[in-house]
Amino acid sequence: GENVEQHPSTLSVQEGDSAVIKCTYSDSASNYFPWYKQELGKGPQLIIDIRSNVGEKKDQRIAVTLNKTAKHFSLHITETQPEDSAVYFCAAPTGNQFYFGTGTSLTVIP
Amino acid sequence: KAGVTQTPRYLIKTRGQQVTLSCSPISGHRSVSWYQQTPGQGLQFLFEYFSETQRNKGNFPGRFSGRQFSNSRSEMNVSTLELGDSALYLCASSFLGPGEANEQFFGPGTRLTVL
Repeated sequence: GENVEQHPSTLSVQEGDSAVIKCTYSDSASNYFPWYKQELGKGPQLIIDIRSNVGEKKDQRIAVTLNKTAKHFSLHITETQPEDSAVYFCAAPTGNQFYFGTGTSLTVIP
Repeated sequence: KAGVTQTPRYLIKTRGQQVTLSCSPISGHRSVSWYQQTPGQGLQFLFEYFSETQRNKGNFPGRFSGRQFSNSRSEMNVSTLELGDSALYLCASSFLGPGEANEQFFGPGTRLTVL
């Protein structure tokens, strides 16, 4: 099956700074890479995704980049705000299953 | 459009009991996946159902089972509960399934505590 590694496991940034979370995957057949944000007491919420036919996708302050050759993809959050504080998960599918990274706990310090 | 709903939101059981959790997917979605989330193990895949058929199963013991009904609603059952089954159980729905590069949307989860 797929092996998804996510780094860092914790990240603290000052409000207004940028945050970057990176994931690597092992199955070259994976072609869809979503990112989820999970706030305390809630289920993961899909915030952005990218398919293998593009290298970058942006949605306001959030962007995802994909390097299929190196098998890694990254989440970029610019101008961070306190409400960005949460746990972020990357994922990659293989077969009929999503494999998730171990999560990054992001803290934005006001 | 209503999101994924899960009931109950919280459950407290004792060892040896069994439990049934319910998930209603987004209208029109035919795939439902179940995950167990614990602090130590992260998000672990349990199984995926599509049109009432289990298509994929994770590495969990046979005490964990599920089913899907014709209206796409799904249930999962855990028998002979163990302390280690305490976790947040999440269900996620998608139109075609995680293998087809489909967006997968999660419910709020059911927090199960086994005493």
